[in-house]
Amino acid sequence: SYELTQPPSVSVSPGQAARITCSGDALTKKFAYWYQQKSGQAPLLVIYDDNKRPSGIPERFSASRSGTMATLTITGAQVDDEADYSCYSTDSNGSPRLFGGGTKLTVL
Amino acid sequence: QVQLVESGGGVVQPGTSLRLSCAASGFAFSTFAMHWVRQAPGKGLEWVAVISYNGRNKYYADSVEGRFTISRDNSENTLHLQMTSPTREDTGVYFCARGDMGGSGSYPQYWGQGTLVTVSS
Repeated sequence: SYELTQPPSVSVSPGQAARITCSGDALTKKFAYWYQQKSGQAPLLVIYDDNKRPSGIPERFSASRSGTMATLTITGAQVDDEADYSCYSTDSNGSPRLFGGGTKLTVL
Repeated sequence: QVQLVESGGGVVQPGTSLRLSCAASGFAFSTFAMHWVRQAPGKGLEWVAVISYNGRNKYYADSVEGRFTISRDNSENTLHLQMTSPTREDTGVYFCARGDMGGSGSYPQYWGQGTLVTVSS
């Protein structure tokens, strides 16, 4: 079945690089998207089309996709980056759209 | 700017029905696809449904297919989700989100703050 798998949690110290992975067979063909969700808030798009940053998203957010894995990297993570991060993939032909299970990033 | 305001959530008994709405403003509603995404308490995001800009194409998650219906009123800039025969597993915050384009292959780009649905007897 079509699934996107993420680690439940990632922890880094302030200033370190945080890397969050998302794996799934569909990622060999489809774009990956990344959302940040802080506690009690709506999700915020931070990466689209594998590696593009929407306006207003800091440059420390970057991403890549290779084979069956997509990776979100936060270079020089800040305490304010603490949030849940979810990957998403889509198929323009109407097959299931899916979120990964989400990764809780702790910057401490 | 893009504003999406969900409404219609509340407590609903299993097996009854509930209609959620999403009022859109700040963009040309009739030219963008729209999504519903939900989040059970303490859980991750789950994509629910998408509707194309003109309402002709609709797709659903397997978990809601046949029970939920997504629709839109472009004259009122409003998106709806009709939930029938809900179960406790449908409990959660329901977000509406604007797609990045008009087709149903879009991804959720801008999100509302969500409305809480609790299915309980």
